[in-house]
Formats: sequence, structure tokens, C-alpha cells
Amino acid sequence: DVKVTQSSRYLVKRTGEKVFLECVQDMDHENMFWYRQDPGLGLRLIYFSYDVKMKEKGDIPEGYSVSREKKERFSLILESASTNQTSMYLCASSFGDLYEQYFGPGTRLTVT
Amino acid sequence: AQSVTQLDSHVSVSEGTPVLLRCNYSSSYSPSLFWYVQHPNKGLQLLLKYTSAATLVKGINGFEAEFKKSETSFHLTKPSAHMSDAAEYFCVVSPAAGNKLTFGGGTRVLVKP
Repeated sequence: DVKVTQSSRYLVKRTGEKVFLECVQDMDHENMFWYRQDPGLGLRLIYFSYDVKMKEKGDIPEGYSVSREKKERFSLILESASTNQTSMYLCASSFGDLYEQYFGPGTRLTVT
Repeated sequence: AQSVTQLDSHVSVSEGTPVLLRCNYSSSYSPSLFWYVQHPNKGLQLLLKYTSAATLVKGINGFEAEFKKSETSFHLTKPSAHMSDAAEYFCVVSPAAGNKLTFGGGTRVLVKP
């Protein structure tokens, strides 16, 4: 079974802090994704990566950056956390051109 | 551009009765369509997918969905709800090529005993 793990289930940070969310997948997938999930809005794509050191902006990249130094790891960075970034963050991975994405359990981030 | 509208934010059914979750989409291309389920405190899991083969798609746990191009719909159904079906369901569209998914707002299903 594909396993996607995220470093924390719950995280509380203060406004202005730099925040790192880590995601690791164990199936050698090329593609990795970061989403945020908010009630009534579904999942919105923040950034994705098709290969090591490659990244592309999704629908809502403002205020976020990403890093992919190794194939199995994809990090989401909030350079200066703000209260409107309080949300559930989901990481996913997929293989090649296949559409099925495998999701991690999510990190619920609260920014106070 | 593509978009997905899930017509009900909440659905409540009794155990053993049918479930219907409605989804309409818009897409400039022949899309691929998916339903994902998210149980409490769990990641999303793929229920089923339509990728231009048969219009009636069967998924896991007794769910199925029918692609109707003329109505731009992809409704999810199950003949008999089980307590374990209580979850949030997401309708998702993807363009004919590429990995980028667009999610609907979700439908939360409550199953009453």
C-alpha cells in the first residue's frame, strides 16, 4: 500500500512565524501536491511538483513556497504565518500520468 | 477552465436507504471525473473514476456513478447506506491531460440508525 505521511497532525503557530510542513511518500511517485482544505471550499491546490527540484504554482500559491530536494519528500513553507492561513493542509502523491492521487492524513494548522 | 459544483453540502439518510450525491461539472475538454471519500481524521481515498470508458462506473464499497455528458453531471449513488458510509465526499474533475485536479466543495453524509 502507498503510504503518505505528514510530519504533524496538529500544529499551533504565532503570526509572523516561519512554518514548515513536511510530507513523505514511500512509493517512488514522481508527482507530489500540497492542498489546503476549508469548509465549503473543498481542496484547493497550493503547489505541485513533477520532479525533484521542480515546482509549479497551483491555484492559491500566495504566501507559500515549497521545496523538493529528494523525490520522496515535499515541504510546504509559510514564510510569515498569518491568521488566514489557519486551515487543514493535505499532501498527496501520484505516479506518472495517472490521475489517482494518494493523500496523507493532513495537518491542522492554527495560527494565532 | 474547469469547475465542479456539489449541489448539496449535507445529506442525511437512514441506514438501509439509498444515497444520492449530486455533482455537476464544467470543463473545456473531455474530462476525467472522480469521487473521493474522507472519513473523520483520515486522508482522502479514491472511490471511483471515469476516464472516457463506460459511462456507468462502479467503485468500492458498493458505490457507483453515472457520467451524463448532456447534463454535465456525475452523480454518486449507493442502493443501501451503511453506518460506515458517514463521511465527506468530494467530486473531482481533471482535464483530459495532466494531473491537476479541481475539487467540489464536498458533501457531508450523515447516516441515521
